[in-house]
Amino acid sequence: QVQLQESGPGLVKPSGTLSLTCAVSGGSITNGNWWSWIRQAPGKGLEWIGEIYRTGATNYNPSLKSRVTMLVDTSKNQFSLNLNSVTAADTAVYYCVRNGAHCLDFWGPGTLVTVSS
Amino acid sequence: EIVLTQSPGTLSLSPGERATLSCRASQSVSGTDLAWYQQKPGQAPRLLIHRASSRAIGIPARFSGSESGSDFTLTISRLEPEDFAVYYCQHYGASPPLYTFGQGTKVEIK
Repeated sequence: QVQLQESGPGLVKPSGTLSLTCAVSGGSITNGNWWSWIRQAPGKGLEWIGEIYRTGATNYNPSLKSRVTMLVDTSKNQFSLNLNSVTAADTAVYYCVRNGAHCLDFWGPGTLVTVSS
Repeated sequence: EIVLTQSPGTLSLSPGERATLSCRASQSVSGTDLAWYQQKPGQAPRLLIHRASSRAIGIPARFSGSESGSDFTLTISRLEPEDFAVYYCQHYGASPPLYTFGQGTKVEIK
């Protein structure tokens, strides 16, 4: 069974860049799925950030598109998220997820990123 | 962009009761693009239902999904103690690709 694990700094300064990596195990990142990042602000709902394919093709949420970059490293079976110009509004639990057929079928446990000076 | 509105915001029920959760889309959507998730405190969401009515692997039969036009329903036939959680519906839009979520329904113990 596929497992995902997020990693990265838990604290980022305002105006800085949030950088996270998702390690995929139990399956290959090149097996044909797209891979997403989702976030959830404290006490709030879920927001899709974007997705990436094994080729490096990406689709981003228009609300975040100007600040988001996603990359894939097939040699390490992982993908990453960069979100620049962060503010307190970007404080959230960030999840990496495997896309199923029009759904999100396997989730990492999530990592809390706080934006604060 | 499709907006999903879930109701009620909170559902207070007792174990053994039936739970009926609603998700209404702002415009006509295909059931193949609608999914449901369960989230417990401190945990990641878990996929319950995809394609509006297909249970994900390992999901108990007491969970079922249905659709009627742009109205989607998640039903838990008899609530177990572990079912008290927040439930989200999700829509996938293809052009351009975009996943959107409802605001969630909390099922709490009465």
